[in-house]
Amino acid sequence: AQSVTQPDIHITVSEGASLELRCNYSYGATPYLFWYVQSPGQGLQLLLKYFSGDTLVQGIKGFEAEFKRSQSSFNLRKPSVHWSDAAEYFCAVGRSGSARQLTFGSGTQLTVLP
Amino acid sequence: DTAVSQTPKYLVTQMGNDKSIKCEQNLGHDTMYWYKQDSKKFLKIMFSYNNKELIINETVPNRFSPKSPDKAHLNLHINSLELGDSAVYFCASSYPGGNTGELFFGEGSRLTVL
Repeated sequence: AQSVTQPDIHITVSEGASLELRCNYSYGATPYLFWYVQSPGQGLQLLLKYFSGDTLVQGIKGFEAEFKRSQSSFNLRKPSVHWSDAAEYFCAVGRSGSARQLTFGSGTQLTVLP
Repeated sequence: DTAVSQTPKYLVTQMGNDKSIKCEQNLGHDTMYWYKQDSKKFLKIMFSYNNKELIINETVPNRFSPKSPDKAHLNLHINSLELGDSAVYFCASSYPGGNTGELFFGEGSRLTVL
């Protein structure tokens, strides 16, 4: 069975600082990996996804993520955080890229200090 | 125009009551979902419909009954509400076949059972 672990429940960074959110997955085949963001009172929005090819993927809002098969990781990064990035971030793993089979992690709450 | 809209946004009710949440999407997607997000932000799929046909039915009590009158609508009816049903319920949709892996979420319906 596929699973996702986000080891950090809550992360606090200062505005302008760099950010890295960790995600580890467990899946028997080639995983399809996603990062979603949930702003307060909103639904989730897709930031980026990895299906195959270049292991460094670019997403919206200046985010990027790197797939590392050897570490079973798909960490999300941003070089300079903005106050509007404060939100809950979810990593997800899927089978065959299908939205029907997504398993979500438990999320990481990001707080941005002025 | 809201792509995936849910009503009501907030619902407070007593144990034992029956309630419904409605969902509509205007994206032309053929697959729709109901997700439950608990108090720890854990997001779990409940149901998925493709062109009005049920394709995913996770281990959910029989008190929960989805209904899809057409591919743009997916409603959730809950009978005999229990305290543990308190959660945020998200409706989502995806492109035909769901093969892009991208889910489009509504803003959620927060259900509180007293």
